[in-house]
Amino acid sequence: GESVGLHLPTLSVQEGDNSIINCAYSNSASDYFIWYKQESGKGPQFIIDIRSNMDKRQGQRVTVLLNKTVKHLSLQIAATQPGDSAVYFCAENMNSGYSTLTFGKGTMLLVSP
Amino acid sequence: GAVVSQHPSRVICKSGTSVKIECRSLDFQATTMFWYRQFPKQSLMLMATSNEGSKATYEQGVEKDKFLINHASLTLSTLTVTSAHPEDSSFYICSARTGQGAYGYTFGSGTRLTVV
Repeated sequence: GESVGLHLPTLSVQEGDNSIINCAYSNSASDYFIWYKQESGKGPQFIIDIRSNMDKRQGQRVTVLLNKTVKHLSLQIAATQPGDSAVYFCAENMNSGYSTLTFGKGTMLLVSP
Repeated sequence: GAVVSQHPSRVICKSGTSVKIECRSLDFQATTMFWYRQFPKQSLMLMATSNEGSKATYEQGVEKDKFLINHASLTLSTLTVTSAHPEDSSFYICSARTGQGAYGYTFGSGTRLTVV
């Protein structure tokens, strides 16, 4: 289930489940969105991106959905594995990637074997 | 792919001293680098944008005299935390633009700064 901690929401799932991580972005002018995975003590790693002219993009085991009407982004991870345990951040950007990134609050994903 | 190397990964310093963090682009030239700060269980907050050969652009609320940024070459940006205090203890992360699109930003591995 999902719980909201003091700063970081946490999503706990079982290995093999599908995970959905949500993000509300702030700027309606943003036109480029990126999902990052951050493991403890490391920098963010790129997972998948999507431009505002799309509403869905698929990668390997991951899908990003974009709903511009409500400024909502989601990351779906299929067949979640223990190695997927990390904090996931969405980031938004304007000018097709040329402006600075603004990061969302993040969600911690905990995958139990 | 593009790699950004950040050093040191961990540093402990005494209050009042200064600490320098380096961020290098290993296989590409980075005219623009970014410095972020991240407190435990929180998101990355942009501190400043570092531009090669010119002054850095600081975000509102970030003291430029405390967080000195130097971007003297196309492959190196440094962040110096001057007169560090315990409240400066944080995880500092740099990133560099590698171009437009999917891999437009590459991040360093971060520096854990502890001020005692």
